Amino acid sequence: QSALTQPASVSGSPGQSITISCTETTSDFSSYNYVSWYQQHPGKAPKLIIFDVSSRPSGVSNRFSGSKSGYTASLTISGLQAEDEADYYCSSYTTSDTYVFGTGTKVTVL
Amino acid sequence: EEQLVESGGGLVQPGGSLRLSCVASGFTFSNYWMSWVRQAPGKGLEWLANIKQDGSEKYYVDSVRGRFTISRDNAKNSLYLQMNSLRVEDTAIYYCARTISATPGAFWGQGTLVTASS
Repeated sequence: QSALTQPASVSGSPGQSITISCTETTSDFSSYNYVSWYQQHPGKAPKLIIFDVSSRPSGVSNRFSGSKSGYTASLTISGLQAEDEADYYCSSYTTSDTYVFGTGTKVTVL
Repeated sequence: EEQLVESGGGLVQPGGSLRLSCVASGFTFSNYWMSWVRQAPGKGLEWLANIKQDGSEKYYVDSVRGRFTISRDNAKNSLYLQMNSLRVEDTAIYYCARTISATPGAFWGQGTLVTASS
């Protein structure tokens, strides 16, 4: 199972909105609404911020939102803040009962 | 407070073995699937394996199948990863994670570093 494809980096100014894409090209991905997103600050463990494509765990800011269309899932961060500067990873469940992560995106707040 | 605490990492020679442990507290461990995920230095996340609540089902990524074995002891609230025939490319931080629905990493430990080097 190949990793899901994400842009290596995305940047934005404080207050702006940015969108990170997560793309896969096999039917493993498109058939399921089991995409999750993780935020990882340097030296820290990842933290779940979106599950089941668009659901937010309790305590996660509503500035984070997720969506999916066909082979591409997206994470949008609105009202960008300095604390959002981190690495972001998508993940998907596959038909092999396994999981695959995306290649990761570094978000920079200008 | 919910916690996952990994241990057992360290320096091992290529071809060697290591057993990682993850102790859970603050939640009912036996109610959840659990996963192991690793991250090589400066690289992305790689899902490795998961195990059902009663240990009856286990799944692995191709790169570790046959070399790594996931197991659990619900009486000890513990998850394990037995790693054999280690390779240099297995060098990484290894995280255990609570799995919910089809979300492999609903909650994560802080990780333990494994270095395979001669």
